Amino acid sequence: AQRVTQPEKLLSVFKGAPVELKCNYSYSGSPELFWYVQYSRQRLQLLLRHISRESIKGFTADLNKGETSFHLKKPFAQEEDSAMYYCALRNPGGYQKVTFGTGTKLQVIP
Amino acid sequence: EAGVVQSPRYKIIEKKQPVAFWCNPISGHNTLYWYLQNLGQGPELLIRYENEEAVDDSQLPKDRFSAERLKGVDSTLKIQPAELGDSAVYLCASSLASTGELFFGEGSRLTVL
Repeated sequence: AQRVTQPEKLLSVFKGAPVELKCNYSYSGSPELFWYVQYSRQRLQLLLRHISRESIKGFTADLNKGETSFHLKKPFAQEEDSAMYYCALRNPGGYQKVTFGTGTKLQVIP
Repeated sequence: EAGVVQSPRYKIIEKKQPVAFWCNPISGHNTLYWYLQNLGQGPELLIRYENEEAVDDSQLPKDRFSAERLKGVDSTLKIQPAELGDSAVYLCASSLASTGELFFGEGSRLTVL
């Protein structure tokens, strides 16, 4: 069974402080990991995926297979980063099931 | 590009009444998902379609929930009869199987009184 765990429901940081949103997963294989974001009054949308290894809006995430983690990081938080963040795992095989974590609300304090 | 379109955005019904949600995915997206999102929780998969075939409906409560995707495009999710615990946001998403990125609709918020 595949599972995604986001241990923090709420993370509050001051503007300019570093951010790390934690995500751990359980999957027997090589999964595809994603971070989705939902800004206030907007639909859920993709932020980044591990296979592209790119930085989006200053956010990066590295897949650590040894620790089964895919933490989302940003060195300097901005007020516009305040949103709900969901980590997701996709089974890349024929089944291609996508499982989401429970989400972490990031609150950036001015 | 309109993106994934869902309707209605909001629905309030009394328990034991039926309700239906409609989803129009992005043109060309062969995979369609229905997710349930309770307050404070992440999306939970109800059913996934590849074209018109339901390939994963293991989490769909089949005693009261049903879904269809005729012609492999639009999809409808129905609840009959609705229960108080069904109050939630019902999300539709679509994707190309090759990319894995899900595109979500705005969701349909159901309140059962």
